[in-house]
Amino acid sequence: DGGITQSPKYLFRKEGQNVTLSCEQNLNHDAMYWYRQDPGQGLRLIYYSQIVNDFQKGDIAEGYSVSREKKESFPLTVTSAQKNPTAFYLCASSQTPASGNTIYFGEGSWLTVV
Amino acid sequence: GQQVMQIPQYQHVQEGEDFTTYCNSSTTLSNIQWYKQRPGGHPVFLIQLVKSGEVKKQKRLTFQFGEAKKNSSLHITATQTTDVGTYFCAGQAGGFKTIFGAGTRLFVKA
Repeated sequence: DGGITQSPKYLFRKEGQNVTLSCEQNLNHDAMYWYRQDPGQGLRLIYYSQIVNDFQKGDIAEGYSVSREKKESFPLTVTSAQKNPTAFYLCASSQTPASGNTIYFGEGSWLTVV
Repeated sequence: GQQVMQIPQYQHVQEGEDFTTYCNSSTTLSNIQWYKQRPGGHPVFLIQLVKSGEVKKQKRLTFQFGEAKKNSSLHITATQTTDVGTYFCAGQAGGFKTIFGAGTRLFVKA
C-alpha cells in the first residue's frame, strides 16, 4: 500500500538522550515535513524538505535535526537540547512543495521523556 | 507573520445538532484545506477550496471560502458520533508554507 510509515509508534527517552524517529514514504513525493502536536493543540512545523539533500527550519526547529539523503526518507532526531520533547510527532509529505498540494500524514510517533 | 485563527477551540453537541467551525487568516490565502483528526489518529485531508466564495459539500459537511479569501467555515449538519474528532483548517498564501489553525475539537453526545 502507498503511504507514509513512521516508526516507532511509541518511544520513551531518558533525559539527555538523543532519539531518532523514522519516516519513510512510497508516494514518490518531493516534499516532506515534520510536525509536533502537543495534547489538545494544533500542529507546529519543525522542519521541511522540498527536495533531496535540502531542508529548512520550521517554526520550532531548536533542539531537532533532520536529514534528507533519499527522496523517500526524512528522519527526525530529537536531541538532548530539546527541553520538552514529550509530544506526538507527525511526518507528512506532499507531491511537490507548490501551493495547493494535499498534505498526507503518517500515523505519528508518541515520544515520552522518562 | 501569517496566522490562521480557528474558533471555537472546543464544541460539545448533542447528536443530531449542527456544528460549525470558523477559520480566519491575517492574510489573503491562495487556497484553504480542511483536515480531520480522529482521537488518537492522524490528520486526514477532507477538501480544498481555491476560488473566492467557493462552496463545496460532502454529504453532511459544507465548506465555504470567503469572498476575500481570508476566512473559511466548515458546517456539519445533524452531527453523528462518527463526526467526533478535531477539525483543522490549513491555509496557504502562495508559496510553499502551509499554516495550520489550532483546530476545533468536536465532542458528540449520543
